[in-house]
Order: sequence, then C-alpha cells, then structure tokens
Amino acid sequence: SYVLTQPPSVSVAPGQTARITCGGNNIGSKSVHWYQQKPGQAPVLVVYDDSDRPSGIPERFSGSNSGNTATLTISRVEAGDEADYYCQVWDSSSDHPRVVFGGGTKLTVL
Amino acid sequence: QVQLVESGGGVVQPGGSLRLSCAASGFTFSSYGMHWVRQAPGKGLEWVAFIRYDGSNKYYADSVKGRFTISRDNSKNTLYLQMNSLRAEDTAVYYCAKDSYSGALTGWFDPWGQGTLVTVSS
Repeated sequence: SYVLTQPPSVSVAPGQTARITCGGNNIGSKSVHWYQQKPGQAPVLVVYDDSDRPSGIPERFSGSNSGNTATLTISRVEAGDEADYYCQVWDSSSDHPRVVFGGGTKLTVL
Repeated sequence: QVQLVESGGGVVQPGGSLRLSCAASGFTFSSYGMHWVRQAPGKGLEWVAFIRYDGSNKYYADSVKGRFTISRDNSKNTLYLQMNSLRAEDTAVYYCAKDSYSGALTGWFDPWGQGTLVTVSS
C-alpha cells in the first residue's frame, strides 16, 4: 500500500521559513493536499492540488511537488501557525482506491 | 456557508454497534462525494470511508472493511456511518468531510465537521 512519510516535528523561529516535507513513491505524479490542525479543532485545508491556496489562506502558505517529495512552505512564520500539518493523496493503483494521509508534522514556533 | 455537523457518538461496549450521522448544509449535497475520517486520541488522521455523490461507489480502509458501512440520503442532506463489531482501537473522534468532486479520485477535503467522539470500552 502507498505510504506518505512526514517528519514528526519541525521547529522554526518567528519570521523564518518552515518547510514540511511529505515523501512518497513518485508522489510527483499525484495531487497532494495539505491540512492544518490546531489542538481541539478540526483540520483545515491550506493547500490543494500541490500548490493552490483556498480563499482565506494567507499567501505565506505555498506548496510544491516533484519526484518523490512534496513540500509545504510557510514563509514569515507566525506564532499562530503552530499546529499539526498533514499531507494527503489518493492511492488509486488498485481495484480498491483509498485515501492516504501522512503521519503528520508538529510545527513548533520557537 | 458550507456546514457539516456530526452526531451519534458516545460510549459503546466492544462488539457493539453505533450509527453516526453528518448533516450537511450550504451546498448541493447530492453533487459531492463525502468522507469519514477518524483520529484516535493523540494520533494522526486516518481515512475511514468514501461514498460517491450518488452512492454508486463506496471505498473503505482495510481496518474497517466488513464492519463499517457508509451511506447517504440525498433527500435529507445527510451522510451516515454504520459501525458494527466495534473494537477498542476504533476509539476516536470521527469527522465527516466534503470532497472537492462528485466522484473523481484525486480530490481534497473541505470543509470538515467538528467531529464526534466514539469511545469503545467495557
């Protein structure tokens, strides 16, 4: 089955750039979506189709996807960005399609 | 605005059953695929099931296949998850989420409901 690998944690100082990776076999051929989840809240979509931003999401959030790695980049990090981040793809390689989430990355703002 | 509200969670004994509901509003429910996703305490997101806009296709995670059934009533704008033979490891917050497409298998989840807690314990 398809596996998405994320680092458990990323730490960054305010104002710096955070990069959260999502590794998967030939993930560049898939559409990758990213979610932010703050404690006690439901996940919120922050990037879809590799690099598009939903309305209401700051331009500081961006995404890229190539080869075996997709990346969520958060520029000019703020304290309010501290959260768990998850990548997501569809695995349609078999007769039983399924959705796959990465294990999640906890972003800590120092 | 688009809104999803889950209900039906609670405490159930191992081997028991529970049915979750997700009431949708603010969009044409019958035009979109829908998902259930769960999150065990302190753990990450786990996809549970998907149903196409018209109910014609349903897909399940291996961990729930044969025990859980996803369904929908487009006349009531409501999504369901029937959970049977529940186990301790099914304890989680269960979220419903709207897919971006009617049935294409590439979409994203937006929005999500607030979740309903299911606890399986004796």
